[in-house]
Amino acid sequence: SHELTQPPSVSVSPGQTVSITCSGDILGSKYTCWYQQKPGRSPVLVIYEDNKRPSGIPERFSGSNSGTTATLTISGTQAVDEADYYCQAWDSSTQVIFGGGTKLTVL
Amino acid sequence: DVELVESGGTLVKPGGSLRLSCVASGFTFSNYAMNWVRQAPGKGLEWVSYITSGGSFSYHADSLKGRFTVSRDNGKNSLYLQMNSLTVDDTAVYYCAREGDGSGSYSDYWGQGTLVTVSS
Repeated sequence: SHELTQPPSVSVSPGQTVSITCSGDILGSKYTCWYQQKPGRSPVLVIYEDNKRPSGIPERFSGSNSGTTATLTISGTQAVDEADYYCQAWDSSTQVIFGGGTKLTVL
Repeated sequence: DVELVESGGTLVKPGGSLRLSCVASGFTFSNYAMNWVRQAPGKGLEWVSYITSGGSFSYHADSLKGRFTVSRDNGKNSLYLQMNSLTVDDTAVYYCAREGDGSGSYSDYWGQGTLVTVSS
């Protein structure tokens, strides 16, 4: 089976741009999505099909997928963006995998 | 509005069984594949199972070793997860989530979750 690797934690200052990476050898051939999860809350989809934003997700959230790394970028980070972020992709035609999650701290 | 409401989570002893339910509203349930995803206390998200819109095909995480079975009743707008031979490692919040209708794998709506605690 494959794995998706994320940094455990990332920090950013308000107003700055931050990128969260998701690495895995399957990513070049698979769409990736990203979820935001705040404490005690259900996950919220913020990016799907590598770079598409669902309705209601601010434009400061963007995504990319190249080679073996998918990236979630938040531009002009706000305090409300502090949360855990998870990437997800199909491992095969029958298995779905999540990255281990990244805790984003807005200092 | 799309709503997913899970139920059935409770305290169960190791080796026991449990059936979770998820009732959907606000969309045509029979048109969407569905997922179960779980999250152990203080841990990350873990995919559990997927079922196609009509229920003809389902997939489960290999790590579950065949102990869990997903099913659905489109007439009742309901999704189920039958869990057998439970162990303490199955303790988690279980979410039902609607699979998006685009390409790739993604869940565009999630329920609030139901807590399953496996303990003697």
